[in-house]
Amino acid sequence: GAVVSQHPSRVICKSGTSVKIECRSLDFQATTMFWYRQFPKQSLMLMATSNEGSKATYEQGVEKDKFLINHASLTLSTLTVTSAHPEDSSFYICSARPDRGLNGYTFGSGTRLTVV
Amino acid sequence: AQKITQTQPGMFVQEKEAVTLDCTYDTSDPSYGLFWYKQPSSGEMIFLIYQGSYDQQNATEGRYSLNFQKARKSANLVISASQLGDSAMYFCAMREGWDFGNEKLTFGTGTRLTIIP
Repeated sequence: GAVVSQHPSRVICKSGTSVKIECRSLDFQATTMFWYRQFPKQSLMLMATSNEGSKATYEQGVEKDKFLINHASLTLSTLTVTSAHPEDSSFYICSARPDRGLNGYTFGSGTRLTVV
Repeated sequence: AQKITQTQPGMFVQEKEAVTLDCTYDTSDPSYGLFWYKQPSSGEMIFLIYQGSYDQQNATEGRYSLNFQKARKSANLVISASQLGDSAMYFCAMREGWDFGNEKLTFGTGTRLTIIP
């Protein structure tokens, strides 16, 4: 089945530093990947849609300069949280849908970011 | 307006009983897809079942079935013979947009299911 690898699973960083999260489709190509943010006991909120070879589409209220998305290949999308602040602490999760075949979306295992 | 509504924040069910998790949706797009995902405490999102808007039959996957009532815009998940391992958060989601660049997967607020031994 389709597998999405997301790294790191946990990261602690200091305020003001940047953190990069990788989302990689291991056995399929995905032109489109999605980045979500999830606060404790809440739903997944779509942050942005990452499209290979073009600029990401950000949801309303998401700062594109703070959450940089790069989708450089059909199997890799990265989310960089720039100048992180404690309020950026959250669970970030990516998903991808295979370009061919399946209707389903496969999710990475998520990244728990803690900014201290 | 909410695209996906899950009205049950939490449910407690006796082991081996069947359980229905409610989901209603709102869209003007004639073509859409409906999903159910399970999220255990580890945080991973596990795909359970999919129903396309044009599918004539209700989707089934093992112990999971989707009660799709298109006119009522509901897509309830039914879990038969519940097990302790079914305890988790359950999310209903809807896909809209089938062209490159306008695809979107929107989630409901979730239902926390607890199975009681």
